Amino acid sequence: DVKVTQSSRYLVKRTGEKVFLECVQDMDHENMFWYRQDPGLGLRLIYFSYDVKMKEKGDIPEGYSVSREKKERFSLILESASTNQTSMYLCASNRWAQGLETQYFGPGTRLLVL
Amino acid sequence: GENVEQHPSTLSVQEGDSAVIKCTYSDSASNYFPWYKQELGKGPQLIIDIRSNVGEKKDQRIAVTLNKTAKHFSLHITETQPEDSAVYFCAARDPRGAGSYQLTFGKGTKLSVIP
Repeated sequence: DVKVTQSSRYLVKRTGEKVFLECVQDMDHENMFWYRQDPGLGLRLIYFSYDVKMKEKGDIPEGYSVSREKKERFSLILESASTNQTSMYLCASNRWAQGLETQYFGPGTRLLVL
Repeated sequence: GENVEQHPSTLSVQEGDSAVIKCTYSDSASNYFPWYKQELGKGPQLIIDIRSNVGEKKDQRIAVTLNKTAKHFSLHITETQPEDSAVYFCAARDPRGAGSYQLTFGKGTKLSVIP
């Protein structure tokens, strides 16, 4: 079974704090993704990575950065958290397989920025 | 880039009835269309997917149909059960460029199955 784990289920931070969200997958997947999920907006891609040290911007990268130092781990960083970054954050991964393979999601991190 | 529209946003059905969720996509080059189910407090999980060389796919009570000409695809759930209650997302993949790595998701349909 593919397993994607996220470091926290719930997180409360203050405005201006630096926030790290960690994601680990155990299936040797090349691709990893960070999404945010908001009511009525669905899933929006923040960043993705197709290889170690490689990253590509998704649809809403502003205010976020990412790090992929090891194949199994993909980190999302909020350099200076703001209240509009309160959201559910979902990590996902898949094999390259010419893109014709589903993404496997972690359970999500619900972040509240006060 | 790809744009995916999903309807309806909410759907209530009686247990045992069928449920249909529809999605349209904008890019005729898109070639992979998964459907995800998200239960409360969990991440989305794939329930069925279809590739552009196939018109229909079935897995027990779940089926997906794809109309490439009209650029729409639909999820059909028959004999609905209370455990089918969840949010369902459709998605599409554009095989070109950076889009070949990404999925574009619809905004989701909250399905409620009333016992």
